[in-house]
Amino acid sequence: DAMVIQNPRYQVTQFGKPVTLSCSQTLNHNVMYWYQQKSSQAPKLLFHYYDKDFNNEADTPDNFQSRRPNTSFCFLDIRSPGLGDAAMYLCATKTGNNEKLFFGSGTQLSVL
Amino acid sequence: AQTVTQSQPEMSVQEAETVTLSCTYDTSESDYYLFWYKQPPSRQMILVIRQEAYKQQNATENRFSVNFQKAAKSFSLKISDSQLGDAAMYFCAYRWDTGNQFYFGTGTSLTVIP
Repeated sequence: DAMVIQNPRYQVTQFGKPVTLSCSQTLNHNVMYWYQQKSSQAPKLLFHYYDKDFNNEADTPDNFQSRRPNTSFCFLDIRSPGLGDAAMYLCATKTGNNEKLFFGSGTQLSVL
Repeated sequence: AQTVTQSQPEMSVQEAETVTLSCTYDTSESDYYLFWYKQPPSRQMILVIRQEAYKQQNATENRFSVNFQKAAKSFSLKISDSQLGDAAMYFCAYRWDTGNQFYFGTGTSLTVIP
């Protein structure tokens, strides 16, 4: 039944140690998003894919990168996490001709 | 750039009463979509209601309705007959017609008092 799956639910990493967050979907949606959400703040769009076309937001730090090897999977790579990168990371999907957004449950990232 | 503003960080409502959450946005586009999302403590985002900018009629979904004022760039959410399960963070969101990016406001935390 799960549609947008994010694993793990909680991720702990060390300052400066690369970390990868994963997202998979069973909806066959062609658009996938990564959002960063800090406590009591709005979800902030980092990037999105339309099929294989990658779209980076202008203010997304270079420290953040993404990969989408196929329709079902999308990864968020943080090359050198800082304390300020601790946040909830939300993956979302939608179809190209439908405006409804489907979210995963998120991965809560802690940086020690 | 598109911005979405929610000026009420926190709201509370008595159970069974009505509450209105405010949202304003800024855009130079004429065709776009507006949304209200609910985020309970589980952090899963749930779509509550959506409005197409080209439609003058306000959207309704059961106990949820919106007041869309395009000229004023205002998009408020009215929750009628509030229930305890309505307690959550509510986010207003915007997407322009030909784009895929969704932009969110800072959210309003709604408390429902029994």
